[in-house]
Amino acid sequence: AQSVTQLDSHVSVSEGTPVLLRCNYSSSYSPSLFWYVQHPNKGLQLLLKYLSGSTLVKGINGFEAEFNKSQTSFHLRKPSVHISDTAEYFCAVSVFSGGYNKLIFGAGTRLAVHP
Amino acid sequence: GAGVSQSPSNKVTEKGKDVELRCDPISGHTALYWYRQSLGQGLEFLIYFQGNSAPDKSGLPSDRFSAERTGGSVSTLTIQRTQQEDSAVYLCASSFLQNIQYFGAGTRLSVL
Repeated sequence: AQSVTQLDSHVSVSEGTPVLLRCNYSSSYSPSLFWYVQHPNKGLQLLLKYLSGSTLVKGINGFEAEFNKSQTSFHLRKPSVHISDTAEYFCAVSVFSGGYNKLIFGAGTRLAVHP
Repeated sequence: GAGVSQSPSNKVTEKGKDVELRCDPISGHTALYWYRQSLGQGLEFLIYFQGNSAPDKSGLPSDRFSAERTGGSVSTLTIQRTQQEDSAVYLCASSFLQNIQYFGAGTRLSVL
């Protein structure tokens, strides 16, 4: 069965430093992978996606992720974080079953950026 | 253009009451999804619509939950005889041809 594991439930970093949020997936075929961000009391916003092609994917707000098939990973990183990046981040894999796609989410990583 | 719109944004209800949650997807999006986000359970898939039909209702937690979609657009998720364990944020997403899903801000349901 497909699943997503986010290896860190909480990450705390200083403003201006780099951050790495880790995600591992299991999928029986070539996956479509996503990172979403959720700010407090807000919905999910798509940060970036990997559907096919280049393994390095750039998203909004300076985030990027790298698809690594051999390690079944899709880690999210940002070279220099801002206070406004404080939020919860969800990694997801798209699963095709029963004739349609649905998203399987990881448990989320809470990122706290402090001054 | 407008994104996915959900209403109400917050709903407080008493145990045993029925509630209706509404989702207005992005215009032209054929696929619509409902998810539930609760403490300890993360994000759970509830139901998927393609047009007006829901080929998979297996994610609905119990027979108190139902959903419909009319005109290939607006969807309502109905919870009958609400229980405290139904308290959660209910998220709706839409996509075009089952591709990338775009989410609304959610409805925060509190059952007292």
